[in-house]
Amino acid sequence: GAGVSQSPSNKVTEKGKDVELRCDPISGHTALYWYRQSLGQGLEFLIYFQGNSAPDKSGLPSDRFSAERTGGSVSTLTIQRTQQEDSAVYLCASSAVEGRRPQHFGDGTRLSIL
Amino acid sequence: RKEVEQDPGPFNVPEGATVAFNCTYSNSASQSFFWYRQDCRKEPKLLMSVYSSGNEDGRFTAQLNRASQYISLLIRDSKLSDSATYLCVVNRHTGNQFYFGTGTSLTVIP
Repeated sequence: GAGVSQSPSNKVTEKGKDVELRCDPISGHTALYWYRQSLGQGLEFLIYFQGNSAPDKSGLPSDRFSAERTGGSVSTLTIQRTQQEDSAVYLCASSAVEGRRPQHFGDGTRLSIL
Repeated sequence: RKEVEQDPGPFNVPEGATVAFNCTYSNSASQSFFWYRQDCRKEPKLLMSVYSSGNEDGRFTAQLNRASQYISLLIRDSKLSDSATYLCVVNRHTGNQFYFGTGTSLTVIP
């Protein structure tokens, strides 16, 4: 079946603008995660959604970052008033909680703030 | 202390060599274990899950030592296409959170 889909693939925007990144998880996967990865660095956890439970927002770096997941499927990550340090690849992953299955990643959104 | 620690390398090995990576995890409550590979400017992709009894997939062998809290990955007969960063990942079922190591860089040289 289809994998995790993210859009856009690339986003270039000016400092101070808001951006919205989208993630469409694998059908049936109830867990959805957002990470970001700066060049040459490891994965940085941002936020985690599980079913109808309250999301784990512990990784969001500031209140400029927010995410929602509507209908238990598609998720959007919003960054308000972007800063140059927000430039990174934003990766979304989903997993089927049952049986503690591994995560599967989308291709990511490469965000560049000018 | 980090949840998951890996030697960042880099490991530079000739084609055909055998190379091993280790990874340690800090929380004994960790219950599921995985190795991912990440190519340059690409997303991480699942290489293999790691089972308690150890498991093999072709040239790749993964082992888990719960007593010492480490995971290993052995690659035999290295190919040029094995060049990538290898990420160690653990999952704690409570909360279903995944913890990633920073990765070990491997370059296989002709």
